[in-house]
Amino acid sequence: DGGITQSPKYLFRKEGQNVTLSCEQNLNHDAMYWYRQDPGQGLRLIYYSQIVNDFQKGDIAEGYSVSREKKESFPLTVTSAQKNPTAFYLCASSSSTDTQYFGPGTRLTVL
Amino acid sequence: GENVEQHPSTLSVQEGDSAVIKCTYSDSASNYFPWYKQELGKGPQLIIDIRSNVGEKKDQRIAVTLNKTAKHFSLHITETQPEDSAVYFCAASIEGNRDDKIIFGKGTRLHILP
Repeated sequence: DGGITQSPKYLFRKEGQNVTLSCEQNLNHDAMYWYRQDPGQGLRLIYYSQIVNDFQKGDIAEGYSVSREKKESFPLTVTSAQKNPTAFYLCASSSSTDTQYFGPGTRLTVL
Repeated sequence: GENVEQHPSTLSVQEGDSAVIKCTYSDSASNYFPWYKQELGKGPQLIIDIRSNVGEKKDQRIAVTLNKTAKHFSLHITETQPEDSAVYFCAASIEGNRDDKIIFGKGTRLHILP
């Protein structure tokens, strides 16, 4: 069953803690993306990776970090430097065409 | 860079009527225009897309039209049903250009009224 999975579905963080959101895909896609979505807002690009071991900052990369050690995986770390991390986080992947396929999302709440 | 404007931000339609969502883009080089549907608490799902070599594409009750000259494209949903209630996003990109990013509109919240 091919697709993109994100875990966990819900995540709670205390202030000052780093947390890592998981994104895995078995679609054999080269490119992967992380977006942030706030209530009633559109999608804002955090980081993207066109190929393994390479990634670029998106529009709102401050306070976030990523790695792309494997083609299938693109984890996102929300660091304590991110001052307003409560949001819905979406991971996506794409192949040689630009069609992006999204995961189910992770809702992060800072307590 | 590319800029995508989407209107309206909210749309209420009587069940059975048609809904139209419009988007404009700024970069004439853009040639790929997908539409996504996002239900509450879920990730966006691709519902239809169009490339610049065609002016219209249909899939059952949904259709997308593209006017390259005016740089705008629209989503049309006919015979709307309650399950069409969701947020819809348009997007634009230059397909195959790895230096280019897909740009999303800010979304339209569609309410289907009983």
